[in-house]
Amino acid sequence: EAGVVQSPRYKIIEKKQPVAFWCNPISGHNTLYWYRQNLGQGPELLIRYENEEAVDDSQLPKDRFSAERLKGVDSTLKIQPAELGDSAVYLCASSPRILGGSYNEQFFGPGTRLTVL
Amino acid sequence: GENVEQHPSTLSVQEGDSAVIKCTYSDSASNYFPWYKQELGKRPQLIIDIRSNVGEKKDQRIAVTLNKTAKHFSLHITETQPEDSAVYFCAAYSSGGSYIPTFGRGTSLIVHP
Repeated sequence: EAGVVQSPRYKIIEKKQPVAFWCNPISGHNTLYWYRQNLGQGPELLIRYENEEAVDDSQLPKDRFSAERLKGVDSTLKIQPAELGDSAVYLCASSPRILGGSYNEQFFGPGTRLTVL
Repeated sequence: GENVEQHPSTLSVQEGDSAVIKCTYSDSASNYFPWYKQELGKRPQLIIDIRSNVGEKKDQRIAVTLNKTAKHFSLHITETQPEDSAVYFCAAYSSGGSYIPTFGRGTSLIVHP
């Protein structure tokens, strides 16, 4: 079974340019997470989806970040315009549906390393 | 919101020694506590987890303990091996209406042969 797939693996852009990341979760996983991981720190949640619905996006900087999960499968995360401080690794993760407040294991993708110059 | 503190930030041990990493959390509604291992340039992978209705869980050389009263949990690795060298992250997941996981800052474990 394939794991969580992300692309691209690396991206270098100039500041003020737009950038998009793509994630394909594990088949059958209803819950999808986007995280940002700065160097030397733990992942920070940006947004969580249950199927196609964004149910936790309070930590997403909505002035420049947007995300979508059409049809409840693949997801894209966009930054427009990018700033120097956006340089980080962007991780996608998926897990089976949360039932009754009981969590399931999250499976992470390899991440996209973004460098903003 | 939840706040997770993780210590130490770096841990250096000799092969065969034990290693202990500790985390504290602030939200008493948190009820799920996983530990992830992240090797350099790779994705985080779950190594063990514990739920709030359990005080201890063990899997071969790895164990996790949870003290709900004190709001702290710890990862214990016995008989460490060089391949255990990685960054370890703890996390706390709250059930208080918002399933936002909060991660610690990570512990870089170095096991010297």
